[in-house]
Amino acid sequence: QVTLRESGPALVKPTQTLTLTCTFSGFSLSTSGMCVSWIRQPPGKALEWLALIDWDDDKYYSTSLKTRLTISKDTSKNQVVLTMTNMDPVDTATYYCARMDAATAWYFDLWGRGTLVTVSS
Amino acid sequence: DIQMTQSPSSLSASVGDRVTITCQASQDISNYLNWYQQKPGKAPKLLIYDASNLETGVPSRFSGSGSGTDFTFTISSLQPEDIATYYCQQYDNLLLFTFGQGTKLEIK
Repeated sequence: QVTLRESGPALVKPTQTLTLTCTFSGFSLSTSGMCVSWIRQPPGKALEWLALIDWDDDKYYSTSLKTRLTISKDTSKNQVVLTMTNMDPVDTATYYCARMDAATAWYFDLWGRGTLVTVSS
Repeated sequence: DIQMTQSPSSLSASVGDRVTITCQASQDISNYLNWYQQKPGKAPKLLIYDASNLETGVPSRFSGSGSGTDFTFTISSLQPEDIATYYCQQYDNLLLFTFGQGTKLEIK
């Protein structure tokens, strides 16, 4: 069974750096084609894609946020970590991680439940 | 970056109605378009991939069509459990992704 679970702080202060971890099971990020992405959703608003890391450790970032984002993986722990610097109240959102198997098609077939991050002093 | 314009932003329909949502890309994206369903408090669920392919296990009343810049998502006969927000999502060869603004579907 494939599962993904996001974890991280529920509350961060403005200007702080956010670190989120996606822990997954049922697949390996060392398998050719496998990718994990981060997507966020402010309350009541649309989904926004943030970043993706693939099996070959290639990294892709949202154009508008790439200066603030870093994505990395620990294959041995089945984890993907996203850091976002200089947090602002507009970054308040539910953050999801999702799997993509680029060997078959480019869509997010499995998602975590999401973790709500509030940015407030 | 490619922009996606999804319409309408909200829609009210009766059980049994045919429902159509459109998504327009700012440039040709071939068939690189997916559709997701999101129910309140839940993660999105993939329904349609590559514009017209039904994900395994998804009811056949859901369908998608289009290519290039104009895409359509259809529910042939609306069911009460279809109440959700629907999103289109495009991808490109640079592995950059964009979601539409969403369509909130309600029962009339």
